[in-house]
Amino acid sequence: DGGITQSPKYLFRKEGQNVTLSCEQNLNHDAMYWYRQDPGQGLRLIYYSQIVNDFQKGDIAEGYSVSREKKESFPLTVTSAQKNPTAFYLCASTPTSGGNIQYFGAGTRLSVL
Amino acid sequence: ILNVEQSPQSLHVQEGDSTNFTCSFPSSNFYALHWYRWETAKSPEALFVMTLNGDEKKKGRISATLNTKEGYSYLYIKGSQPEDSATYLCALSNYGQNFVFGPGTRLSVLP
Repeated sequence: DGGITQSPKYLFRKEGQNVTLSCEQNLNHDAMYWYRQDPGQGLRLIYYSQIVNDFQKGDIAEGYSVSREKKESFPLTVTSAQKNPTAFYLCASTPTSGGNIQYFGAGTRLSVL
Repeated sequence: ILNVEQSPQSLHVQEGDSTNFTCSFPSSNFYALHWYRWETAKSPEALFVMTLNGDEKKKGRISATLNTKEGYSYLYIKGSQPEDSATYLCALSNYGQNFVFGPGTRLSVLP
């Protein structure tokens, strides 16, 4: 089935540790996104990528890094510089850049030990 | 970046009741308004995309309207069922890359 797969579903990070969240899509979509959700807030954009080997910072990129080496993969690394990483992280994709429906993964919940 | 607001934050209705929620925005400077349904432990799913003032969309018992002049969209659910329980997200997209999401309305339908 076509879709977006995020893994792991739950992730725990120790202080000072970098962790990587996986996002894979087999929809052949060009654009991919990472969002963060905190209680009572809307989804906030961390990074997005319109094409392979290119990505742009979103509204809250500090403390995060991404790569886009393959069209189907857009991993997000939460670095030790992110002081408040506990949140729910959603990955999404769209067929072309701008204005289209976003398709979402099921999310990863990150907690700090 | 536009600020998208949604109200109410949460609500509880009885099975069979009809209900509606609001998405409001300060400017009509966007390409499309989207409604998503996000059930617990699942991925958000697109319900409607609307681009023009006066747009109305319907899918079964759920419908939505868009009024860009007055800065709001309504989502209506007729005859709510327990399976309608979810968080309903409103988002605006522009011609570029960005989607701006509201905080959502959490609906609980009690049997």
